Amino acid sequence: NAGVTQTPKFRVLKTGQSMTLLCAQDMNHEYMYWYRQDPGMGLRLIHYSVGEGTTAKGEVPDGYNVSRLKKQNFLLGLESAAPSQTSVYFCASRGTAGKNTEAFFGQGTRLTVV
Amino acid sequence: GQNIDQPTEMTATEGAIVQINCTYQTSGFNGLFWYQQHAGEAPTFLSYNVLDGLEEKGRFSSFLSRSKGYSYLLLKELQMKDSAYYLCAAHQTGANNLFFGTGTRLTVIP
Repeated sequence: NAGVTQTPKFRVLKTGQSMTLLCAQDMNHEYMYWYRQDPGMGLRLIHYSVGEGTTAKGEVPDGYNVSRLKKQNFLLGLESAAPSQTSVYFCASRGTAGKNTEAFFGQGTRLTVV
Repeated sequence: GQNIDQPTEMTATEGAIVQINCTYQTSGFNGLFWYQQHAGEAPTFLSYNVLDGLEEKGRFSSFLSRSKGYSYLLLKELQMKDSAYYLCAAHQTGANNLFFGTGTRLTVIP
């Protein structure tokens, strides 16, 4: 019963490098989200998806891209990492059964850009 | 637009009761979630309110007033393990997004 799994858990990048964060959920959820969490800023929505093949921008999308080619996976890409993207990244998923189901979170990815 | 406010920090004594407030201004509001987050861990679900009133779940209760844009989380019989961040999140219809406040850091002292 894995729930939401994020890989990698930790990563250090040099400025200008690229990387992809993977989020996988095994609950057949329709909705998936990528958040970043910074001290004093709470969780801020980067991008989200309401179903396979669809993505949309959240509050802070600049510098990130996403893809949802398969329902269970939601990828977050950084094409050219910047120190301002140093953060903890959380993926979450929600289902549609019932009116308003809770969001389940992955364990987070700690990214440092030097 | 979205605006969610919570106190930054609170301190309470073991065994006591504490109330954490949250005010929100969210377009397309359709419910209020509370999450608990221990340092270095993922947020975990505590409660959800969509209608006005109080929802009770063991030591934790949550209240919502939609007309006032206000919610609170009430923690009773505080334990040391309740020391954590408590996140208030407003559910937005349409896109089905959750918008989070900055979180309240609760410290429980002996």
